[in-house]
Amino acid sequence: QVQLQESGPGLVKPSETLSLTCVVSAYSINSGYYWGWIRQSPGMGLEWIANIYHNGNTHYNPSLKSRVTISVDTSKNQFSLNLTSVTATDTAVYYCARRTPAMAFDYWGQGALVTVSS
Amino acid sequence: VVLTQSPGTLSLSPGERATLSCRASQSVSGSVLAWYQQKPGQAPRLLIYGASNRATGIPDRFSGSGSGTDFTLTISRLEPEDFAVYYCQQYGSSPPYTFGQGTKLEIK
Repeated sequence: QVQLQESGPGLVKPSETLSLTCVVSAYSINSGYYWGWIRQSPGMGLEWIANIYHNGNTHYNPSLKSRVTISVDTSKNQFSLNLTSVTATDTAVYYCARRTPAMAFDYWGQGALVTVSS
Repeated sequence: VVLTQSPGTLSLSPGERATLSCRASQSVSGSVLAWYQQKPGQAPRLLIYGASNRATGIPDRFSGSGSGTDFTLTISRLEPEDFAVYYCQQYGSSPPYTFGQGTKLEIK
């Protein structure tokens, strides 16, 4: 059973950088699939942020692209998210997930609540 | 593409049939339309992909249909564990992935 687990600070100050890591278990990132980040907030609902392939190929949500970097470390079987210049509107539960060839997300992490506040 | 789900809240009893709607602002390929179930404190769970294909382990009381701009998730006979929030999701033009705002299925 594929498992994903997010980790990172739960509190980030405004204007700083939000950094999260997703460790994948029971499946090698090198074996394929895209891997992505999705966030959920009461105001914005579910919002896709970015995807990455094991070869480093990336796709970003245009609305966040200027502030987002997604990266992969295949040696550790994990991928990461950096979101710069955060504001209160970036407060959300951040999920990592695996994207299928049918463009759906079939395995999800449990979610990491990140609050932006001074 | 904006996905609009209706109704916002659906109140039904166990054993009844549930019909949830997802309407797209422009035509969506059915091959990239998915449905998810989310319970409080949990991540979304993939139910249906490609508009009508059940994901692994999903009971056959869940079915999806539709094409173009109108898609439907049907739960043939509601079980107590089916009461949750349901989201549709599409892949298309910018942004590539969008979700509907959700339908809350509550016990009547």
